[in-house]
Amino acid sequence: EADIYQTPRYLVIGTGKKITLECSQTMGHDKMYWYQQDPGMELHLIHYSYGVNSTEKGDLSSESTVSRIRTEHFPLTLESARPSHTSQYLCASADDRSNYGYTFGSGTRLTVV
Amino acid sequence: GQQLNQSPQSMFIQEGEDVSMNCTSSSIFNTWLWYKQDPGEGPVLLIALYKAGELTSNGRLTAQFGITRKDSFLNISASIPSDVGIYFCAGHGSSNTGKLIFGQGTTLQVKP
Repeated sequence: EADIYQTPRYLVIGTGKKITLECSQTMGHDKMYWYQQDPGMELHLIHYSYGVNSTEKGDLSSESTVSRIRTEHFPLTLESARPSHTSQYLCASADDRSNYGYTFGSGTRLTVV
Repeated sequence: GQQLNQSPQSMFIQEGEDVSMNCTSSSIFNTWLWYKQDPGEGPVLLIALYKAGELTSNGRLTAQFGITRKDSFLNISASIPSDVGIYFCAGHGSSNTGKLIFGQGTTLQVKP
């Protein structure tokens, strides 16, 4: 049973639209992460948060933004979607004991047409 | 920053064969983790290693934390079609940024 939830699973949207990808976890984890992944390729960290009101940019530059108003919720927003944003977006969370691994959501497959 | 080099990039094997993949780094890692990602899903943790030299099994999977703390391998014995997917190594480096560093992934295909 998943403890970290991403919605929607699939999204097809037109260029220029604003979208928000949702990520919620019920494990009380302080640390949360967003990764971007093209099919069959590497995971690229685009945003992370170590707690409420904490957000940082990841290793891969992204036009998306994130917020962390509640511990369990870490939404990602694209103000104006473009075809280059087409990708899979994976959310993850981690226990504060940093030597444990991440728990990943099932991902959102975004297609911008 | 610290990086992980994972190999091979892809493998295409016959059902029943054993599989081996590995990750190496030029710097020391404090933990090694192996994940599997099924098509269209998020990665799932398979094995976690916390001590140099540690050898851990999970069913047909066996992974080891290299004694130099700069490498790890994952073996899959007697592969089956459901082993298909992408396998990622990951680890916490000695720089202690709190972020996991991921390898590039090994794509495994199994021919029935």
